[in-house]
Amino acid sequence: DVKVTQSSRYLVKRTGEKVFLECVQDMDHENMFWYRQDPGLGLRLIYFSYDVKMKEKGDIPEGYSVSREKKERFSLILESASTNQTSMYLCASSPQDLSEQYFGPGTRLTVT
Amino acid sequence: DQQVKQNSPSLSVQEGRISILNCDYTNSMFDYFLWYKKYPAEGPTFLISISSIKDKNEDGRFTVFLNKSAKHLSLHIVPSQPGDSAVYFCAASGVNSGYALNFGKGTSLLVTP
Repeated sequence: DVKVTQSSRYLVKRTGEKVFLECVQDMDHENMFWYRQDPGLGLRLIYFSYDVKMKEKGDIPEGYSVSREKKERFSLILESASTNQTSMYLCASSPQDLSEQYFGPGTRLTVT
Repeated sequence: DQQVKQNSPSLSVQEGRISILNCDYTNSMFDYFLWYKKYPAEGPTFLISISSIKDKNEDGRFTVFLNKSAKHLSLHIVPSQPGDSAVYFCAASGVNSGYALNFGKGTSLLVTP
């Protein structure tokens, strides 16, 4: 079974703090993704990565950065958290050449 | 610009009946379509997919239909069960989107006993 884990289920941070969200997958997948889910907006792609040290901007990359130093780990970084980044953050992975993505349980981030 | 649209935010169906969830897309380059199911406070789980070379794919109680000319797909759940109550997301990908998925906004299905 594919397993995608995220470092925290719930996180509360203050405005201006630097926030790290970690994602680890155990299936040797090449592709990894970060989404945010907001009511009425569905899932929106923030960043994705096809390989170690490679990254591509998604639809809403502003205010975020990512890091992929190892194949199994994909980190999402909020350099200076803002209240409009309060959201559910979902990490996913997929094998190369396959669109089916496997999701982690999500991190509910609240920025106050 | 939303390339995948789920125009019904919610749907209520009685247990045992058929649930039909609809999805429209605008990008003719999409060639692979997926449905995900999501419970609150959990990540989405893959349900069923269909390639553009097919017009139907079935897996147990779940069937996805694809009408390429209309750029429309639908998910049928027969018979519906209370445990099917969740948010359903339609997603699409294609050559020009790499491996990234374009998601619709979701339809919340409620199956009542």
